Amino acid sequence: DAKTTQPPSMDCAEGRAANLPCNHSTISGNEYVYWYRQIHSQGPQYIIHGLKNNETNEMASLIITEDRKSSTLILPHATLRDTAVYYCIVRLSDAGNNRKLIWGLGTSLAVNP
Amino acid sequence: DAGITQSPRYKITETGRQVTLMCHQTWSHSYMFWYRQDLGHGLRLIYYSAAADITDKGEVPDGYVVSRSKTENFPLTLESATRSQTSVYFCASTFDRSGNTEAFFGQGTRLTVV
Repeated sequence: DAKTTQPPSMDCAEGRAANLPCNHSTISGNEYVYWYRQIHSQGPQYIIHGLKNNETNEMASLIITEDRKSSTLILPHATLRDTAVYYCIVRLSDAGNNRKLIWGLGTSLAVNP
Repeated sequence: DAGITQSPRYKITETGRQVTLMCHQTWSHSYMFWYRQDLGHGLRLIYYSAAADITDKGEVPDGYVVSRSKTENFPLTLESATRSQTSVYFCASTFDRSGNTEAFFGQGTRLTVV
């Protein structure tokens, strides 16, 4: 699985959009981009994933560049409860490939009032 | 309640003792995973299981034993606990299928070995 690079920390004002970048320049054509977050003292929580196209769900939007070498997770209206560590991971789609996930240190997002 | 649950949430044990961390999921997910999380490290895979009676090592398996006699349970045993095994342990599960196969995580067990 490809490795990812994320900034160690970011700040965002409450109510504003939070844009979290991720570089995955070695991603292969059939690897998906997954985003998880981990709120303090809790287990990681799935947010969203995508392959090529931009994706949106009730939690966030995922923008993947055309060359797929980077992506951005967008939290459109950040709240204090979005303060967490956000992990960007790339992997093949089959469930067994969860065993190959490389979890970096993620981006620690602080949403400020 | 549906979901994935870990027990205990907190545990303090002495060096050399055997301790078992429990993980139970109600979805009949095929895959289950055990991770440990330490400061300065991302989640590291200890063991995983593709189905009942099928287990395999992950990145950091030494000192740990797992079993999977039933699909819904995946206990992790530290045979002789050491201080280096002080960590937060997370269990996860996922369906066995293509496409959207995100992992669902338990709340974690904070283990302290003294």
